[in-house]
Amino acid sequence: AQSVTQPDIHITVSEGASLELRCNYSYGATPYLFWYVQSPGQGLQLLLKYFSGDTLVQGIKGFEAEFKRSQSSFNLRKPSVHWSDAAEYFCALGTAGNKLTFGGGTRVLVKP
Amino acid sequence: DAGVIQSPRHEVTEMGQEVTLRCKPISGHDYLFWYRQTMMRGLELLIYFNNNVPIDDSGMPEDRFSAKMPNASFSTLKIQPSEPRDSAVYFCASSDKPGLAGARRTYNEQFFGPGTRLTVL
Repeated sequence: AQSVTQPDIHITVSEGASLELRCNYSYGATPYLFWYVQSPGQGLQLLLKYFSGDTLVQGIKGFEAEFKRSQSSFNLRKPSVHWSDAAEYFCALGTAGNKLTFGGGTRVLVKP
Repeated sequence: DAGVIQSPRHEVTEMGQEVTLRCKPISGHDYLFWYRQTMMRGLELLIYFNNNVPIDDSGMPEDRFSAKMPNASFSTLKIQPSEPRDSAVYFCASSDKPGLAGARRTYNEQFFGPGTRLTVL
């Protein structure tokens, strides 16, 4: 069965520091993977996606993610966070029927 | 395009009342999804439509929930009767039909609406 796990429920990071959010998936085929961000009171916005090819994917807002098949991971990174990056981040797996299976989310708090 | 439009943005109702949530997908999108987000259960897919036809409603919690898509530009999610445990944020999302990259099916981004925050007292 397919699943997505985000091991960290909360992460606190200082402004200007680097950020890495973990995502592990379980899927029997080559995965389609997504990262979405949800700002407070807002809907979800796509940051980036991986379908195939280069395993390092660039997204919006300075984010990138690396797909590692051997580790079943798709971790999200940003070299230097801004206060506006405080939000909840969701990793998602594309499954049959054009559906998405979401992880539980990681809430990021940015300290000044 | 204005994106996915949901109404109302906030709804407060009393237990036992009927609640109707509305969604207008992005024009031209073939897929429409209804999600529910709660602290306890996270983001759950309730039902999705392809070309106005319900494809998978296995996430609908019980018979009190129903969803319709009478045409390509409008969908409703109805709860009757509502209960306090239905309090949540309900999102609608839409996407274009998946394509093919060689022999491999692709996935298209789901565009989310701003959500409806439902409170059942």
